[in-house]
Amino acid sequence: NAGVTQTPKFRVLKTGQSMTLLCAQDMNHEYMYWYRQDPGMGLRLIHYSVGEGTTAKGEVPDGYNVSRLKKQNFLLGLESAAPSQTSVYFCASSYRKTTYEQYFGPGTRLTVT
Amino acid sequence: TQLLEQSPQFLSIQEGENLTVYCNSSSVFSSLQWYRQEPGEGPVLLVTVVTGGEVKKLKRLTFQFGDARKDSSLHITAAQPGDTGLYLCAGSKAGGTSYGKLTFGQGTILTVHP
Repeated sequence: NAGVTQTPKFRVLKTGQSMTLLCAQDMNHEYMYWYRQDPGMGLRLIHYSVGEGTTAKGEVPDGYNVSRLKKQNFLLGLESAAPSQTSVYFCASSYRKTTYEQYFGPGTRLTVT
Repeated sequence: TQLLEQSPQFLSIQEGENLTVYCNSSSVFSSLQWYRQEPGEGPVLLVTVVTGGEVKKLKRLTFQFGDARKDSSLHITAAQPGDTGLYLCAGSKAGGTSYGKLTFGQGTILTVHP
């Protein structure tokens, strides 16, 4: 099993450009998450999904959109990138319905200039 | 609002020393988890504690959940350079607006010098 994979690993965008980050998991997990990690800020939840076709806002959802059309995939979109969105983005998935123990992908490092 | 406070934020020690990292909250959690993250990688789950007062050991690492389920600690005995990394605690709550998600602490960066 590959676990949780993220595409791409690195990306540089200019302000105003758009892009989509792809997360895929092969563990048949119900729950999927997108986080951003900035120095000194820990992990902050952007959006999450508790099942195929469902999405919900996390702590810092502004400027991002998500879709979960297939159970195994969770897409994170930036419609008009801003320098404040420079960060490392992590996708995670979980199968535990009470403890939500999470399996993380390797991350995507995004720089917006 | 940071619901889980970790301390210390940074820890730099010599190989062989012992250390404790704390994770505190004013809220009650259904479970507390600890993750370790190495540079350039995603966090990896170390342990989950679910019962107040529970103690779990993972080789030289000892994890404890507070009796009131509001706090947790991670103790490392005889630290080694391979223990270097970012340690994150995370809590889950049953139901309501917390359904389906974790609350993470801001992390403790541990550096163990040979």
